[in-house]
Amino acid sequence: GESVGLHLPTLSVQEGDNSIINCAYSNSASDYFIWYKQESGKGPQFIIDIRSNMDKRQGQRVTVLLNKTVKHLSLQIAATQPGDSAVYFCAERDNYGQNFVFGPGTRLSVLP
Amino acid sequence: NAGVTQTPKFQVLKTGQSMTLQCAQDMNHEYMSWYRQDPGMGLRLIHYSVGAGITDQGEVPNGYNVSRSTTEDFPLRLLSAAPSQTSVYFCASSRSGQGYGYTFGSGTRLTVV
Repeated sequence: GESVGLHLPTLSVQEGDNSIINCAYSNSASDYFIWYKQESGKGPQFIIDIRSNMDKRQGQRVTVLLNKTVKHLSLQIAATQPGDSAVYFCAERDNYGQNFVFGPGTRLSVLP
Repeated sequence: NAGVTQTPKFQVLKTGQSMTLQCAQDMNHEYMSWYRQDPGMGLRLIHYSVGAGITDQGEVPNGYNVSRSTTEDFPLRLLSAAPSQTSVYFCASSRSGQGYGYTFGSGTRLTVV
């Protein structure tokens, strides 16, 4: 079946450092991936997406990398700030193209 | 625009009671879905709808019912609450078609005692 997982459940970084959050996926046919950020008590918020025909996409302070050979997705946050503290989820679109499968999430803690 | 609105924010139910979690969106999104979020398990799909009058089951549909009579509303009904349904419930919507992510509501925290 399809599954999306994360290598590290918890990540602590110093303020100002770069953060890298990793995700492994199992469905090699998935064509679309999204990273979400969830702050405490709130619903997940869209951060950045990437299609399978790309290997890198950049946003404001965030970069998503896709390695289809090893079925690996990563989210890089530059100059991590206290406001980046949250749980981050990767999600892949399922085989039917309508729903997303979410990983269990990684908690990012930014240390002062 | 309000986005996706969920009510109530918190609810405590006794085992066996029924209730409806409300979800409304004002973005004219065709697609809507319900997820539950449990510690360490991420988000699991309960039911989804690709348009008014159309619903389908997700990964964990047992004990839940949905309907989609309008584009805006997608209520989730718990038929007979069980402690295993204690969770945080999120409603999400998006435009149909490929390349669109979800807009999530702020969630409903449900406790069944």
